[in-house]
Amino acid sequence: GAVVSQHPSWVICKSGTSVKIECRSLDFQATTMFWYRQFPKQSLMLMATSNEGSKATYEQGVEKDKFLINHASLTLSTLTVTSAHPEDSSFYICSARAGSLNQPQHFGDGTRLSIL
Amino acid sequence: QKEVEQDPGPLSVPEGAIVSLNCTYSNSAFQYFMWYRQYSRKGPELLMYTYSSGNKEDGRFTAQVDKSSKYISLFIRDSQPSDSATYLCAMRSNAGNMLTFGGGTRLMVKP
Repeated sequence: GAVVSQHPSWVICKSGTSVKIECRSLDFQATTMFWYRQFPKQSLMLMATSNEGSKATYEQGVEKDKFLINHASLTLSTLTVTSAHPEDSSFYICSARAGSLNQPQHFGDGTRLSIL
Repeated sequence: QKEVEQDPGPLSVPEGAIVSLNCTYSNSAFQYFMWYRQYSRKGPELLMYTYSSGNKEDGRFTAQVDKSSKYISLFIRDSQPSDSATYLCAMRSNAGNMLTFGGGTRLMVKP
């Protein structure tokens, strides 16, 4: 149980394009979803937290107009990297939590984004 | 000083060994403690989830939390080459969503 699916797993695109990443909870309803960024050999850095039907809460230093987050249903959240540039290349990982605050976060398998 | 400290390794052990992974932390408000395993180019996989102090066992894995010392451990018995991965500790307080991660320890189990 507690499976989180993330798609695509790898995307390569040209500078200036926008890229959408999907995160789905397959066997539970995720009231809260999280988006992280991970640089090579480093730990995860939280970018934003989203609750279903509400605006996302962004961490300090994360541009909300650059990284658009939508959490339209209890099983789907999307992250759109707008006008992506090479410095946005990274490993993006989502996680989802069911129900109450004392439930753990379950992570997707990540999306490797490469901007040329 | 980081809020959660974790030795980055790499830790290299022979197959069958008992592995001990540890994290120390400074925030006494942390109540929930997790261990995740992350394979290269994959997302973290939840291994153990504990609340407050005590021990928890699941198969070959045992998690220990000592809140008085602000120290948590993950033990892996009969380690296998497939256990080779990066192990991340994570923790949070009762209030709020945010997980605070350790930097991860890279483990290599050699056949």
